[in-house]
Amino acid sequence: NAGVTQTPKFQVLKTGQSMTLQCAQDMNHNSMYWYRQDPGMGLRLIYYSASEGTTDKGEVPNGYNVSRLNKREFSLRLESAAPSQTSVYFCASSGDNYGYTFGSGTRLTVV
Amino acid sequence: GEDVEQSLFLSVREGDSSVINCTYTDSSSTYLYWYKQEPGAGLQLLTYIFSNMDMKQDQRLTVLLNKKDKHLSLRIADTQTGDSAIYFCAESNRLAFGKGNQVVVIP
Repeated sequence: NAGVTQTPKFQVLKTGQSMTLQCAQDMNHNSMYWYRQDPGMGLRLIYYSASEGTTDKGEVPNGYNVSRLNKREFSLRLESAAPSQTSVYFCASSGDNYGYTFGSGTRLTVV
Repeated sequence: GEDVEQSLFLSVREGDSSVINCTYTDSSSTYLYWYKQEPGAGLQLLTYIFSNMDMKQDQRLTVLLNKKDKHLSLRIADTQTGDSAIYFCAESNRLAFGKGNQVVVIP
């Protein structure tokens, strides 16, 4: 099925550990995004990539890095995880004016 | 930065109508969207309206757009338990979402 695939779905990390969240889309979309969702905060943009080879900071980029590996893939890396990064992370893509397509999310807990 | 604003919580009886509101700030956005997020899932595009329209009807859904006041609303007719979710509005020129409206449908 066409869409946005995120892995893993769940992850528990210890403070200071690193990990990479993977995201891939098969809709040939140019733009890809990483959001985090916290209770009462809505969705906040971490980083986005308007096209292959470009990345830009969003509202809350501190503590994260991203890589737009190719047109399909956009990864989010936590170099040294902190409890404040406990959240649900969503990847999304868009290719036209018909909105975003979201992945099903990654639930990350940092202990 | 400019963001969309949404009210937060709505409780509605099954079979009644629900109305969710949103205020946006970028009048140059070509499209305005409503997304639905069911528990434990990602956001799914529910419906959208082109900025030169005032209203769009899509089965049980009615979207109203007041460009003068930058106000977007979503009406759900005959609300069902499957409509329980968080609803987000968004605009095509911005990457921001509101905090969302949680709708709880009481059987």
